[in-house]
This record gives sequence, C-alpha cells and structure tokens, in this order.
Amino acid sequence: GESVGLHLPTLSVQEGDNSIINCAYSNSASDYFIWYKQESGKGPQFIIDIRSNMDKRQGQRVTVLLNKTVKHLSLQIAATQPGDSAVYFCAEKANDYKLSFGAGTTVTVRA
Amino acid sequence: NAGVTQTPKFQVLKTGQSMTLQCAQDMNHEYMSWYRQDPGMGLRLIHYSVGAGITDQGEVPNGYNVSRSTTEDFPLRLLSAAPSQTSVYFCASSYARGSYGYTFGSGTRLTVV
Repeated sequence: GESVGLHLPTLSVQEGDNSIINCAYSNSASDYFIWYKQESGKGPQFIIDIRSNMDKRQGQRVTVLLNKTVKHLSLQIAATQPGDSAVYFCAEKANDYKLSFGAGTTVTVRA
Repeated sequence: NAGVTQTPKFQVLKTGQSMTLQCAQDMNHEYMSWYRQDPGMGLRLIHYSVGAGITDQGEVPNGYNVSRSTTEDFPLRLLSAAPSQTSVYFCASSYARGSYGYTFGSGTRLTVV
C-alpha cells in the first residue's frame, strides 16, 4: 500500500545548529501534510502543516517545505534546542479523514 | 478545555482477558480514531469514526471492536487479549472535512502477558 516514510531513523544535532528532517511520500493524491513531535511518554503534538497548493510554510523556528514533483517533505528547525529532542513524524492525508504516518525520526540534541 | 482524554494510562492483562480503553474529547470533533504504536512501525490505524453511529476499520482492526454512541466518546474493546496486542494505544480526534490535524491523547500503554 501507499505510505509515508522518513529517510533517516535517527538524527544527532549540535545545540544551536539547524536541523533538517526529511520525509518521502508515495501517494500523489495526498493534499495535506502534517509534522508531529512526540516526546517520551506523550502523545504526538502538532507542529506545523501544509496544504498541497503551497510549497513552503513557516512557523515559530520551524519551516516545512513541500516538493510535489519528487514527493518530498521536510521539516527545518532553526537554532535547535535541547527541548527539541523527540521523535518527529510526518503524516499525509489523502482523503477527508485518515492520516497515514511514517515510522519517525528520533532527533537527539547534543549540548 | 481538556482535549482528548484516555484512560487508563497503563494496563497489564493476561492472555484471553478482555478490556475497554476509554477515549473522550470535548472539542466537538466529528472524527475520532484509534492508533497503535509499536517500535519502528510508526502509528497504525485500528478503527475510526466519522460521527456518532458510524465506524470503520483501519489497517489493523483484527482483535478490536469499537462503537460510537456519542460525539464525545470512542471506546476501544479488546475481546480476548493476545501478547501481539502489547503496544501503546493512542486516540485522536479532529474536525471531519478539510485540512485539519489530529489532537492526540496521552496514550495507554498495554502489556499482555
């Protein structure tokens, strides 16, 4: 079946550096994408979303880029902080209801 | 505004026992769903509901039942627990149509021995 996946299962980043987390999706019918952050022992938390009619969206310290040509999604975190250590999931929505999630990328911030 | 509330947070069951995981939301969301999370496998959809009285199966529905008698509540029932159902379970809700993300509960960690 079609699914969303992330390129790397782990990412180690120096505190203060920028982080880039990548995600590839395969369903060309997907029209809405979300990044979630999951801290240990907690449920996923919404970070930022983007619709398929956009290629970039910015939030506070985060930017999501969407390249529909190559079906690629990325999350950029500026000036990574220790509190950014978590598992990050991308998710896609191809109909009105269901989100499909990738396996996640574990981000570790080094002091 | 509590969001999505799941109970219990932790549960240990013996093989063959039954139980119900509770999920309630106070945001008047039409859509509710249950996911299980296993190491290295992301979140997999078990069952979902697009409104009271309407439910459907997700990717991994076997061994689980759901019902949706009210907008607020969406319980997940394990009829005869198996060790393969050891997992962390998340309930999520959202508005039905359009570009909306999910709000997740804090999860139920279930161990079946």
